[in-house]
Amino acid sequence: DIVMTQSPDSLTVSLGERATINCKSSQSVLYSSNNKNALAWYQQKPGQPPKLLINWASTRESGVPDRFSGSESGTDFTLTISSLQAEDVAVYYCQQYLGAPTFGQGTKLEIK
Amino acid sequence: EVQLVESGGGLVQPGGSLRLSCAASGFSFSGYWMHWVRQAPRKGLVWVSGINPDGSYTVYADSVRGRFTISRDNAKNTLYLEMNSLRAEDTAVYYCTRDVRWGPGTMVIVSS
Repeated sequence: DIVMTQSPDSLTVSLGERATINCKSSQSVLYSSNNKNALAWYQQKPGQPPKLLINWASTRESGVPDRFSGSESGTDFTLTISSLQAEDVAVYYCQQYLGAPTFGQGTKLEIK
Repeated sequence: EVQLVESGGGLVQPGGSLRLSCAASGFSFSGYWMHWVRQAPRKGLVWVSGINPDGSYTVYADSVRGRFTISRDNAKNTLYLEMNSLRAEDTAVYYCTRDVRWGPGTMVIVSS
C-alpha cells in the first residue's frame, strides 16, 4: 500500500497570511499514461463530503479560488493557500489515486 | 458531469447486515475502477474496498475482508457494498468514489 504522510496535524494562520500543508508518498504515484502524479487535495468542512481542490498534484478544480495551489517535487507534495480567508477554515487531506486510494491523516486549519 | 449518489445507510444492530448502493451517472461507468471509502465520526478518510471495471477483481481493506462484499451492475450503472457481521467500529459515513469524484455519502450506524 502507498502510505501518505501529511504534516502538520494542525495549523493556525492569521487572515491574509500564507498556509502551507505538506504530504509525502511512500513511493511514486506517477501515472505512466500521462506522466502526471495521481495526487489530489481536498477541503472538508463539518458535515460535508470532501471537496476536491487540486488534482494531478497541481491542477486546480474548476471554481476553486486561485489562492489555492498545488506543487510537487518527486514524492513530496504541497498545498499552499496564498492569503488565508475565514472561509478556508477546514480540514485538508491529500490522497493518492494511482491504485487503491490512500489518504493523509488530515490537517486542521484554523485562524489565529 | 460525474454524479455519484449513495443510498442504503441507516441504523443496524451489531452483527446485522446492510447493503449500500451507489448510482452513477455522467460518465462511462463500465470503464472505471470504483471504490468505497469511509469516515468514522471525527476521524479521517479510510479506503474500504475497490472493484475493477468489469467486476472480475475485488480488493478489500483488512478490517472488512470476509465481512464486506463489493459488486457492481454495469447495466444499471450501480455500485454495491454488502456489509455483514457489522461492528460498532463500522459506524461511519460511506462514500462511493471514482478516482477524485465523490458522492455525498450515506451514514451507517451500528448500535444496539
